Order: sequence, then C-alpha cells, then structure tokens
Amino acid sequence: QSALTQPRSVSGSPGQSVTISCTGTSSDVGRYIYVSWYQQHPGKAPKLMIYDVSKRPSGVPDRFSGSKSGNTASLTISGLQAEDEADYYCCSHAGTYVLFGGGTKLTVL
Amino acid sequence: QVQLQESGPGLVKPSETLSLTCAVSGYSISSDCYWGWIRQAPGKGLEWIGTISIYHSGNTFYNPSLKSRVTISVDASKNQFSLKLTSVTAADTAVYYCSREVLSTTLDWGQGTLVTVSS
Repeated sequence: QSALTQPRSVSGSPGQSVTISCTGTSSDVGRYIYVSWYQQHPGKAPKLMIYDVSKRPSGVPDRFSGSKSGNTASLTISGLQAEDEADYYCCSHAGTYVLFGGGTKLTVL
Repeated sequence: QVQLQESGPGLVKPSETLSLTCAVSGYSISSDCYWGWIRQAPGKGLEWIGTISIYHSGNTFYNPSLKSRVTISVDASKNQFSLKLTSVTAADTAVYYCSREVLSTTLDWGQGTLVTVSS
C-alpha cells in the first residue's frame, strides 16, 4: 500500500483561502467516508481537524472544512491566520488498515 | 478527558525488540474504540502501525508493511496497552505516538516518545 498523495507545500497570505488535496485510490479515499485531517505544529502531537470527510470536532474553527470527490479529498482553510502555519496530514480507512498522506507544509506569508 | 502516556526505552540496539507501553487515564480501555500506535521518523510523515480493541473481541489490525514484526497487546487490569516491534533497524527510529481511534479516526494522541535505534 502507498501513502496518500499530498502536495509537499502550499502557502497563502493572511485572510486568504488555501486548499490541500489528498489523492488516494478506489480502495481507500474513494471507497470510504472515514477520511480525516490532522494539524501538526513543530514538536507537537497531531490534532484532529476534520473527520468523516467533512465533520469538525468541537473547538475546531469553521474556517476549516473538508470535502471529497472520487479518490481525492480536500481540506480548505479560509481566512488564513498566522497560527494556521503547520503541517497537515490526511488519513483514510483502507479496509483492514489506515493510510496517512505524506503531509503538506502550510506557510502563511 | 482521555490522557495517553507512552513509556519505554529511548534507545534500542539494531536487531533487538522495541517495546513501548501506553498508560490510559480518564477512559476505560475496554470501551468501544481501538487503541493503537502511530510513528513519525525524524522530518518525515506519519505512519500508522496498528490497533487493537478489547471491546471488539481483541481484534487487531496491522500495517501490512510492518505486520510480520509487530504485536500490539492490551492489559485491561492496568488500563494500558503495548507495542512490540522486532528486529529493529535504523529505519525504525521515530517518535512513537499511542492513540485512541474510532472508525479509523485518531481522536486522542499521546505526547509521543522518541525511540532511537543505534548500537
């Protein structure tokens, strides 16, 4: 099994929107609703931002949203803020195991 | 509030077995969820190792690429679970996180513990 494919980096200015893609296959992202996204700041444990493709846990700002089309899931962050600068990882159920994406570094310019 | 705390040696010799334990507090390890391990090599991405569930009849699921070397077990009497990874090499050097997972979503993470494989 291969990791899900994410862009290595994305960037945006404060107040702008950015979208991070996560491409899998019909055996993982394309097949299941169990796609999640995690934010990780340097030296910290990851934090759940989106689950079940588009649901937000309590406490996560509604600036964060998720979607999926076919084998590709997306995380959109609107109204970028300085504290959004971090690494973001997508994750998908893949039957009997779980796959992570390679991670995307978000830079807030 | 679930709290997870990893413990174990920070240095393991090549070819030996890596053993880590995760103590769970604020939540019963027998609850309807999965308990697992995720690792992150220095400067790299996250890698799912595997999970176990007492609630689901002790079911275990492992990353196919690690399955031959991994064992995850639970000690319900101590409300903790463990990871064993055999025949380690330098490629197994990573921060190891223990986790609570529901429907393949990691809801809670430990703080992580760095394990270095070196002679």
